[in-house]
Amino acid sequence: DAGVTQSPTHLIKTRGQQVTLRCSPKSGHDTVSWYQQALGQGPQFIFQYYEEEERQRGNFPDRFSGHQFPNYSSELNVNALLLGDSALYLCASNSEGLNTEAFFGQGTRLTVV
Amino acid sequence: DAKTTQPNSMESNEEEPVHLPCNHSTISGTDYIHWYRQLPSQGPEYVIHGLTSNVNNRMASLAIAEDRKSSTLILHRATLRDAAVYYCILRVTGTASKLTFGTGTRLQVTL
Repeated sequence: DAGVTQSPTHLIKTRGQQVTLRCSPKSGHDTVSWYQQALGQGPQFIFQYYEEEERQRGNFPDRFSGHQFPNYSSELNVNALLLGDSALYLCASNSEGLNTEAFFGQGTRLTVV
Repeated sequence: DAKTTQPNSMESNEEEPVHLPCNHSTISGTDYIHWYRQLPSQGPEYVIHGLTSNVNNRMASLAIAEDRKSSTLILHRATLRDAAVYYCILRVTGTASKLTFGTGTRLQVTL
């Protein structure tokens, strides 16, 4: 079992550009969540996808959008990149249901210059 | 979201037990207490969770106060590989399963 896989591992983008990050959940998992982790901070919840729909969203602007595919994989898109979007982006998956443990990927390190 | 309070950092000697405290005075009756840890350059990793009773697994033990306003994660014998940031999280109720992270406790383990 490969666990949660994210791609790419590192990315450098210029201000104003758009970026797409990808996540494949752990086998058997149907729920995918995305988190942003700035340096020295804990991860902050961006949004969660279940059954190809955004089910819950954190306090992030509309520049952050996502998608979930029928195979449960997911993408995170960020438009009009700002320097402040530089962070580690983490994907987590779990099975639908209360209080099941979440499995995290290694993250994508995004640097905006 | 109910909040948790943890010390910023703690130190331990290798092979010694470690008690990591967490205060959550505004916990609601159906919030579960989860612990995750994040090793350097890795994503967070699930450690343990509980509701009211103390819990044990292969990684750690979780001691929950009778009034549920605090809990303690116990690593029975710390190793260098346990050096990480430990997060205490209250899992919100309902079908959504988001995790609300604080700044956690950075655990340093020395020889």
